[in-house]
Amino acid sequence: QVQLVESGGGVVQPGRSLRLSCAASGFGFDYYAIHWVRQAPGKGLEWVAVISFDGRNKYYADFVKGRFTISRDNSKNTLYLEMNSLRVEDTAVYYCARDPHTSTTVDAEFFQHWGQGTLVTVSS
Amino acid sequence: DIQMTQSPSTLSASVGDRVTITCRASQSISRWLAWYQQKPGKAPKLLIYKAASLEGGVPSRFSGSGSGTEFTLTISSLQPDDFATYYCQQYNSYPVTFGQGTKVEI
Repeated sequence: QVQLVESGGGVVQPGRSLRLSCAASGFGFDYYAIHWVRQAPGKGLEWVAVISFDGRNKYYADFVKGRFTISRDNSKNTLYLEMNSLRVEDTAVYYCARDPHTSTTVDAEFFQHWGQGTLVTVSS
Repeated sequence: DIQMTQSPSTLSASVGDRVTITCRASQSISRWLAWYQQKPGKAPKLLIYKAASLEGGVPSRFSGSGSGTEFTLTISSLQPDDFATYYCQQYNSYPVTFGQGTKVEI
């Protein structure tokens, strides 16, 4: 079955960096666009970024542009989120989520499969 | 960005009740709307996509309707397992955006 397992979360000081990973299994990883979605403690869901099946196309939410970078290694079935210049307001559970369909484009989509999330806490 | 507004924010109900949650978009999104259920400490679970299509394995007491800017999620007969927070999400365009959530509680 489809599995997405995030890792890499932890406590980090403001201004520092962190890299999250999302290990995928149970499906053809290199056929799907994958997203990062976050949820601050006690708050709602917030889309962060998406990467196309081949890594060539990426879109970001305005609040992370220039600070976060999404990437993937299809040979390792793994998605990444490099987070730089972290702010207190980036504190959240970060989920990776998969598109419902294989596609060569990065159209806006709903999220059919989610990982369990990894908590990032930005605090001094 | 397209703003999604859910109402109510909290809903008190009993087992067996018919429950309706509304989601409004700040501009037309056709039928590009999904609904999710989230329980504490868990990832969201897809219930409905394209406004009214039931995801596989989701009980038929869940249904969705609407198009354009106004949408509803209905639970025909609330079950104990349904007490959770529900989110709508538009996928008409990037950035995809979510409603603020509706908590269904006893």
